[in-house]
Amino acid sequence: QQQVKQSPQSLIVQKGGISIINCAYENTAFDYFPWYQQFPGKGPALLIAIRPDVSEKKEGRFTISFNKSAKQFSLHIMDSQPGDSATYFCAASFEAAGNKLTFGGGTRVLVKP
Amino acid sequence: NAGVTQTPKFQVLKTGQSMTLQCAQDMNHEYMSWYRQDPGMGLRLIHYSVGAGITDQGEVPNGYNVSRSTTEDFPLRLLSAAPSQTSVYFCASSYRPGTVPNYGYTFGSGTRLTVV
Repeated sequence: QQQVKQSPQSLIVQKGGISIINCAYENTAFDYFPWYQQFPGKGPALLIAIRPDVSEKKEGRFTISFNKSAKQFSLHIMDSQPGDSATYFCAASFEAAGNKLTFGGGTRVLVKP
Repeated sequence: NAGVTQTPKFQVLKTGQSMTLQCAQDMNHEYMSWYRQDPGMGLRLIHYSVGAGITDQGEVPNGYNVSRSTTEDFPLRLLSAAPSQTSVYFCASSYRPGTVPNYGYTFGSGTRLTVV
C-alpha cells in the first residue's frame, strides 16, 4: 500500500522555468511533510518541510504548498537552474509515532540550460 | 565533519552470506533509521530506533536485524543474503521532534549492495 503518491516521475524544464512536483497522502495522522533532494551517488538531503497548520512555506526559490482537505502538497522550484537537476522525494511522517518517514516514489528533474 | 558515516560504500555478497552494514553518527541524534532505495520505489523503511536500546520494525524488515547499544551506532545485519536484497541502503539520523526547530533527518551517503 503506497501511502504517499508522487507525480510526475520525471520532469524536464528550461532554465528559468518553474518545476512543480505533486504529492498526495492517505494517512490523516501524518503531521510532518518534508521534501528531500538527491544527487546521483549521494544520500537524500532535506530541502524544506511543512506542517499541516501552514498552507505555504517558502525558502529561497523553493516553496511548499499544502492542502490539508485534499490531502495534497506540492513543491515549486522557481527560476529553475541546471544545478537543481536532481531527484526529489516528498515524504510524510507522524512525529509522535517514531517520526518514521514514508516516501513518495521520486521525481527526476532535468533543467536544460 | 559531523554527519552520518556508512561503511562499506560498496559490497558484493553471495546468496546465503551474512554481513553487517555499519552506521555511525556524531550529532548526538536520538532517532536513527535504515532505508533501502530501489528504482521507482522511493525509500522504504527497514528498521528504526528512537534511542539506545530501543528498536522497531519498519515497512520491509524481513531478512534484516538491528541493535542499538549506543546513541552513535546503528548497525544493520543481513542474516542470509538473497538477490532480492540487492539495493542501495541508507542510514539516517535526527533529533527527537520538537527538541530543535529544524530537526529533519540527515542521511549517510549509502551502501550499494549486490547479492549474486
